[in-house]
Amino acid sequence: GESVGLHLPTLSVQEGDNSIINCAYSNSASDYFIWYKQESGKGPQFIIDIRSNMDKRQGQRVTVLLNKTVKHLSLQIAATQPGDSAVYFCAENIGGGKLIFGQGTELSVKP
Amino acid sequence: DAGVIQSPRHEVTEMGQEVTLRCKPISGHNSLFWYRQTMMRGLELLIYFNNNVPIDDSGMPEDRFSAKMPNASFSTLKIQPSEPRDSAVYFCASSLVGLAGLYNEQFFGPGTRLTVL
Repeated sequence: GESVGLHLPTLSVQEGDNSIINCAYSNSASDYFIWYKQESGKGPQFIIDIRSNMDKRQGQRVTVLLNKTVKHLSLQIAATQPGDSAVYFCAENIGGGKLIFGQGTELSVKP
Repeated sequence: DAGVIQSPRHEVTEMGQEVTLRCKPISGHNSLFWYRQTMMRGLELLIYFNNNVPIDDSGMPEDRFSAKMPNASFSTLKIQPSEPRDSAVYFCASSLVGLAGLYNEQFFGPGTRLTVL
């Protein structure tokens, strides 16, 4: 029979709007966090990272916010474009360079 | 730079056969990671190497899986014998860990889609 797969959270936004993707991480000792974008049929692609001694970092059209108190990470994408449609993963470094990935959020951008 | 290179891109094999996946990391990177991605379990770390030495293989599912890194520019992941439940996309990633143990982003290859019939 068919296997039941993960049901990814989905975020649907209008082109030009801002997107916010959230992630809860598990290990309070994690010191490094990364956001990846994965398009269909491709490997995860690095977007932005942040170390635990920071609470905000900005890139081109993207901002990552880190709240260590509640172990929460968010990715903000400004002026979302159709090319931003993908699955977005957060990952935390739990030590020794070992990354643990979240389940992912599927972003769908409507033109 | 060509990025992380993986081969083959697609592999279809029959249950019981040996499967070998190959990876060439980005030149100059000192850490290499093997991941498996399935709909059921998402993206899982199988094993990683630092300076060609296996550091953590706790994610390797069972003895049928083995990985080697004979030099800084090549790694293999072998499954013997393969089973249908091994069907997944296998990714290799590499990164540069700094002298102070400072971690940096991992760069992923395009993946190998494995189908075991």
